[in-house]
Parts: sequence; structure tokens; C-alpha cells
Amino acid sequence: EPEVTQTPSHQVTQMGQEVILRCVPISNHLYFYWYRQILGQKVEFLVSFYNNEISEKSEIFDDQFSVERPDGSNFTLKIRSTKLEDSAMYFCASSESRLGLGNTIYFGEGSWLTVV
Amino acid sequence: KQEVTQIPAALSVPEGENLVLNCSFTDSAIYNLQWFRQDPGKGLTSLLLIQSSQREQTSGRLNASLDKSSGRSTLYIAASQPGDSATYLCAANFGNEKLTFGTGTRLTIIP
Repeated sequence: EPEVTQTPSHQVTQMGQEVILRCVPISNHLYFYWYRQILGQKVEFLVSFYNNEISEKSEIFDDQFSVERPDGSNFTLKIRSTKLEDSAMYFCASSESRLGLGNTIYFGEGSWLTVV
Repeated sequence: KQEVTQIPAALSVPEGENLVLNCSFTDSAIYNLQWFRQDPGKGLTSLLLIQSSQREQTSGRLNASLDKSSGRSTLYIAASQPGDSATYLCAANFGNEKLTFGTGTRLTIIP
């Protein structure tokens, strides 16, 4: 069964460092997402991406964050200068079409980011 | 503000019993709702997706219902098994490009 894959599974980084989290969405999907889950808290939406541009973002997704689809398969989340409060599980997800049309969203296993 | 709530936060049930997990949302203009399963330290596995035009969806021992007017969804698990132990999350879509998640119910099935 097709799946969303994420790397790394766990990363420890020092405060102020740049981090890039990588994802390979399901191959025929057109919509891509990043969510995060701080330990013990809700899963929160960060950003959605379609047709090589951001289609929606939350207030969490400030100038420190960026997303990119550098080639036909990868989708990346960059955090420019990490803060302690960026420590969380980051989930990549993809869907074939718009969520509002009732398409199922598929999540990866997540990347644990620990900022020290 | 569109919010999704799940109560209780944790539930323990003896093996073999049927159980219901609850999800409520504040905006009746919901487009669809998904139920997910999350095992500790793992990703989210989609269980069921209900469109706003549907009343329920079934998959094996799972049945999810949606009542827009009351702002509620339930996930019914029949004949629970220890392998059903996990956190169950509901997430609503309100016509935009994101899901709004509840805090989840941590389910423990006691052998």
C-alpha cells in the first residue's frame, strides 16, 4: 500500500540551528501538508501546499518556517532558526485532492524534533 | 472559532465489550470528519471518513456516525480487543485546506 515516508525519524538540534525535515508524499497525490504535535497536545495544522505554492497556513507558520518541493517527489519543511518551543513531532501528509471534497488524508510516521 | 473536542481523555474497557468514543465540533458547516488511530510515538492511521451528507460509515468492527445539527460524531468499536488500545483522534474539515483535530481519547482494552 502506498505510504508517506519521512526522514529523519528523530533529530536533536541546538537552539538557533536550521533544520530540514523531509517527506516523500504518495506519488499520485497533489496536496501536501505539514502538521505538528507538541508532546501531550493536539495535532496542529501548519501549512498546506498545492501546485507549488502555499494554499493555506496557520499563525504558527511564521517567517521561521518555509516549505519547498525541490523535485517531483520530495516535500520539505525548513525551520530557519530553531527555538526550544519548536520541539515536537512533525507530520507530513498528502491527499489526492482537496480535503473539502472528502478526500482522505494520509500521514507519515512523523519526525521527532528535539531542540536543546 | 472552529473547535473540536473529545471527552473523555482516557477510557479503559474490558476486552470483548462494545464501546463508543465521542467527538464534538462547534461549527455545523462541517464538510467531513475523519477518525484516526495513533499508537504511542507513531503516525496517524486513517480509520473512517464521513462526508457531511452521510450519517454513518462502517469498516469491520468500526462504525462512525455524524450528526451535523448536534455537532457530534461517535466512533463505535464492537467486540473490543487488546490490539485496539491506542489513542483515537477525530478531525474535522470545514471546507478549507486543513483538519482541525480533537485532543484524542486514549483507549485501553483490559485483557
